[in-house]
Amino acid sequence: ILNVEQSPQSLHVQEGDSTNFTCSFPSSNFYALHWYRWETAKSPEALFVMTLNGDEKKKGRISATLNTKEGYSYLYIKGSQPEDSATYLCASPNTGNQFYFGTGTSLTVIP
Amino acid sequence: DTGVSQNPRHKITKRGQNVTFRCDPISEHNRLYWYRQTLGQGPEFLTYFQNEAQLEKSRLLSDRFSAERPKGSFSTLEIQRTEQGDSAMYLCASSKGTGVDTDTQYFGPGTRLTVL
Repeated sequence: ILNVEQSPQSLHVQEGDSTNFTCSFPSSNFYALHWYRWETAKSPEALFVMTLNGDEKKKGRISATLNTKEGYSYLYIKGSQPEDSATYLCASPNTGNQFYFGTGTSLTVIP
Repeated sequence: DTGVSQNPRHKITKRGQNVTFRCDPISEHNRLYWYRQTLGQGPEFLTYFQNEAQLEKSRLLSDRFSAERPKGSFSTLEIQRTEQGDSAMYLCASSKGTGVDTDTQYFGPGTRLTVL
């Protein structure tokens, strides 16, 4: 079992603010780190898949970084918009390809 | 690409009854995953298939749970003798199965199970 943790559990920000959350995972036997966005009443949507230490990926106003040596990834949202309100999940697979998810960070962007 | 579909979307059952859920993955996706998600938690891995072969099953999974993927296309998840603790959202996801750990998983909308 992999212990994948996310913080904070929830976050409220004003529209236009930038924000970031953390995903921590075991640094040993690391294979990949996945980020998902899950909006209410919709399916989880893949944001990024990251594998290499120092990786940085960007999709519009959202970006993510990866530090496999210390076992964490940051997700950044620049200039938050109400449509960014969702739960953001990270997941990492073990050697048997079982994916372990964190409990998520619930983001609410206040107009 | 019609996406991953799951049926039913909602299921209410009485304790002790059997229930079966269906997942239709994106066509040509070789891998199919089942997860369970309860309030305040992230999705919990249950099992996954590579084509028709069930490759991994969570040790946390009770013997009351069984999954099949005949012919490597759609999959079913059956829960026998349901208990109130089985109430959860059951999610299905599929991926191409080429990059293994790095493949993007595409999720369905889930089946919400309520056991009374």
